[in-house]
Amino acid sequence: EVRLVESGGDLVQPGGSLRLSCAASGFTFTNYAMAWVRQAPGKGLEWVSSVTGTGGSTFYTDSVKGRFTIFRDNSRNTVYLHMNSLRAEDTALYYCAKYLAVSGTSPYCLESWGQGTLVAVSS
Amino acid sequence: DIQMTQSPSALSASVGDRITITCRASQSISRSLNWYQQKPGKAPELLIYSTSSLHGGVPLRFSGSGSGTDFTLTITSLQPEDVATYYCHQSFGNPWTFGQGTKVEIK
Repeated sequence: EVRLVESGGDLVQPGGSLRLSCAASGFTFTNYAMAWVRQAPGKGLEWVSSVTGTGGSTFYTDSVKGRFTIFRDNSRNTVYLHMNSLRAEDTALYYCAKYLAVSGTSPYCLESWGQGTLVAVSS
Repeated sequence: DIQMTQSPSALSASVGDRITITCRASQSISRSLNWYQQKPGKAPELLIYSTSSLHGGVPLRFSGSGSGTDFTLTITSLQPEDVATYYCHQSFGNPWTFGQGTKVEIK
């Protein structure tokens, strides 16, 4: 059974930094791309970032480019999201999610999701 | 960015009703359209991928159709456990984008 457990969410001041972690189990981690998707309170879903199975390629939504970095440690079955220069509009529940198909193949969609970790940016 | 527009934003229907949710893309996305269900207080779950492929374990009352810019999610016989917000999602272009969601309630 696929299991994704996020951690690292916290209350942080504007301009601060935070690192989210997502520990994965139940599948061959290195074979699958992973993503972070966020949901602001009472709002819809927003894709934030993805990383391929090897970690060699990363993708970001424009609003976080240059501020957030996604990376993975395949020896620890963990994907991370390092967030710098945090803004109030980054306040959200951050979900880690696993792609349905093995890395580099379609279909491109998110099969399994964690329960999320809450990031609050406020002074 | 590809904009995804869902309609309606919310609907209320009776148990057993057939309901349809529409998702329109701002440009053609071929069939790279997925649907997720998010129940209150829970993480989203994949329902349908590539427009019409049912994810494992999803009841057969759910179906999807469309291509290009116009897509639909249909529930043929609404059940109480279907109360949720439904999101469409395009994976054709970067960045991935979601519709704003359709909240489904029981009348």
